[in-house]
Amino acid sequence: GAGVSQTPSNKVTEKGKYVELRCDPISGHTALYWYRQSLGQGPEFLIYFQGTGAADDSGLPNDRFFAVRPEGSVSTLKIQRTERGDSAVYLCASSNYGGGSGANVLTFGAGSRLTVL
Amino acid sequence: AQSVTQLDSHVSVSEGTPVLLRCNYSSSYSPSLFWYVQHPNKGLQLLLKYTSAATLVKGINGFEAEFKKSETSFHLTKPSAHMSDAAEYFCVVSGDGATNKLIFGTGTLLAVQP
Repeated sequence: GAGVSQTPSNKVTEKGKYVELRCDPISGHTALYWYRQSLGQGPEFLIYFQGTGAADDSGLPNDRFFAVRPEGSVSTLKIQRTERGDSAVYLCASSNYGGGSGANVLTFGAGSRLTVL
Repeated sequence: AQSVTQLDSHVSVSEGTPVLLRCNYSSSYSPSLFWYVQHPNKGLQLLLKYTSAATLVKGINGFEAEFKKSETSFHLTKPSAHMSDAAEYFCVVSGDGATNKLIFGTGTLLAVQP
């Protein structure tokens, strides 16, 4: 598609439930990133994929968070046993940067706002 | 480790006056640096990027930033603020050579008074 698409745009869930957030990157972009933005904060890196593999998952806060990108396009961020502290906007971005010279320019989606009650 | 520090959490200017948003970076690697803008209820948008070419970088909407290695700074400027510039601005640094992740600052909220 023309941009990065994220669904759902809003998700309200109860503490302890399981949540999936989907990201559809720009067609042809090999790199896909997940960030989390809490109220009044800057985006916090979670994980990024180069193709199908997670190239850097150092930002995942704990083992309740998991992400997949099985075919190298769409990605799903999965959160188990949600907690109130997981409430945030989850941002997805994609790029066609593979390393080397030049800049890694990310194009962001509008985000999925997660509220855990 | 790479990091950025945005020195002001809030900046308020009058319409038509200059804008200065300050950013200092820390990097053990030759960094790429970016400024992104986030308008209320809108997605993050790239304003400009620095990649070791010209140290003065021009972006969209009349914004500029100057890379100063001696001061480890990458401040964002605009000669004359418009009401539509009111938004949150993020300074961003690339990761070290081992990762392509981008690291965001905490943001500066720019208010423009009529």
